[in-house]
Amino acid sequence: DADVTQTPRNRITKTGKRIMLECSQTKGHDRMYWYRQDPGLGLQLIYYSFDVKDINKGEISDGYSVSRQAQAKFSLSLESAIPNQTALYFCATSALGNEQFFGPGTRLTVL
Amino acid sequence: QKEVEQNSGPLSVPEGAIASLNCTYSDRVSQSFFWYRQYSGKSPELIMSIYSNGDKEDGRFTAQLNKASQYVSLLIRDSQPSDSATYLCAVNGGSSASKIIFGSGTRLSIRP
Repeated sequence: DADVTQTPRNRITKTGKRIMLECSQTKGHDRMYWYRQDPGLGLQLIYYSFDVKDINKGEISDGYSVSRQAQAKFSLSLESAIPNQTALYFCATSALGNEQFFGPGTRLTVL
Repeated sequence: QKEVEQNSGPLSVPEGAIASLNCTYSDRVSQSFFWYRQYSGKSPELIMSIYSNGDKEDGRFTAQLNKASQYVSLLIRDSQPSDSATYLCAVNGGSSASKIIFGSGTRLSIRP
């Protein structure tokens, strides 16, 4: 079984729709992260969470919100999707100060 | 200046040769260093971690760290076509101890 799972894997939606991307992990890590990656570009940090009560904005949080429902679950929402949010979205987890492990990604297309 | 810098490439290396990937970082007190491999459309996969100066070898991969020069590298020996991917350098600790800073990656192409 995969340690970090993301749902859905692919999503096509229309401008203005609310979208939720979900991430679950069985690694027992406290820290969870959401990144976006545009074609040919690096990873951009959207939000990160060190535990259920600790949520922090990353470099590109505008237009996004998150919820840490449990240690193992971290969801990313696009309240009103726009076309320039079309990208690959990755969830990642880590233990304190250590390497991050990534989920398989969600390919989101906003028409 | 970017916090973690990599040459974007593409770096083209013949099959069987040594591929050398380089990364520099700006935060002098950084403590942990990672190399990830990412195939197109897939998620980054951790291939090496290094924490102290010197070399660390794992199979065909060798990571090299020089904290005085703020430089970390990855060598891939006996390069295979399956090594063709984008390699991301990542740095943790220091002033941004709360999160890892990723470079934008070097695209490596192994030609048969």
